[in-house]
Amino acid sequence: AQTVTQSQPEMSVQEAETVTLSCTYDTSESDYYLFWYKQPPSRQMILVIRQEAYKQQNATENRFSVNFQKAAKSFSLKISDSQLGDAAMYFCAYRSARTGGTSYGKLTFGQGTILTVHP
Amino acid sequence: NAGVTQTPKFRILKIGQSMTLQCTQDMNHNYMYWYRQDPGMGLKLIYYSVGAGITDKGEVPNGYNVSRSTTEDFPLRLELAAPSQTSVYFCASRSPPGVGNTIYFGEGSWLTVV
Repeated sequence: AQTVTQSQPEMSVQEAETVTLSCTYDTSESDYYLFWYKQPPSRQMILVIRQEAYKQQNATENRFSVNFQKAAKSFSLKISDSQLGDAAMYFCAYRSARTGGTSYGKLTFGQGTILTVHP
Repeated sequence: NAGVTQTPKFRILKIGQSMTLQCTQDMNHNYMYWYRQDPGMGLKLIYYSVGAGITDKGEVPNGYNVSRSTTEDFPLRLELAAPSQTSVYFCASRSPPGVGNTIYFGEGSWLTVV
């Protein structure tokens, strides 16, 4: 079974600064997807960024980028030029790329990291 | 563009009561999921469905039942509610690999069992 671990329960950053959230995962599969979701107090789940394991290039979405280290099973999220609206709980998640079976499409989540942004 | 719609958004149940959380999606997705999120935790899969008439258990299915009579609807039933079922429940659906392969979440249903 796959597991996802976020070792930082809480992080804080000053507005306009950069912060990195850590995530490690464990899997025996070679083809999978990794995600970062943002969850504000409203509890809505918002997809921030997605990485396909077969791609060596790190994904980027505006101020958000990842450092994907497949051999180390590490998937960190970097938020540049942090804004007050970035404050939220952030979840790292794993999904198998298998096209069948009981795990198809299922997301496995980490425990989450609460990000506070100070003005 | 409704996406994934869950009702109710908030509900308080007494111990032993039963209720159904409704979920509907208008994107014609075959794959649908129910997750629960306990305070300060990540989401855990309760049940999932790969199409109308087909459902299967996830990680934490005890105390719940589902049905999938149509592609659009995937209701979650709580029988004999217990305080341990106090949680936020998320319904989700997934687009096929050729159409983005993306998971869409509903806005969540906050359930308190007292």
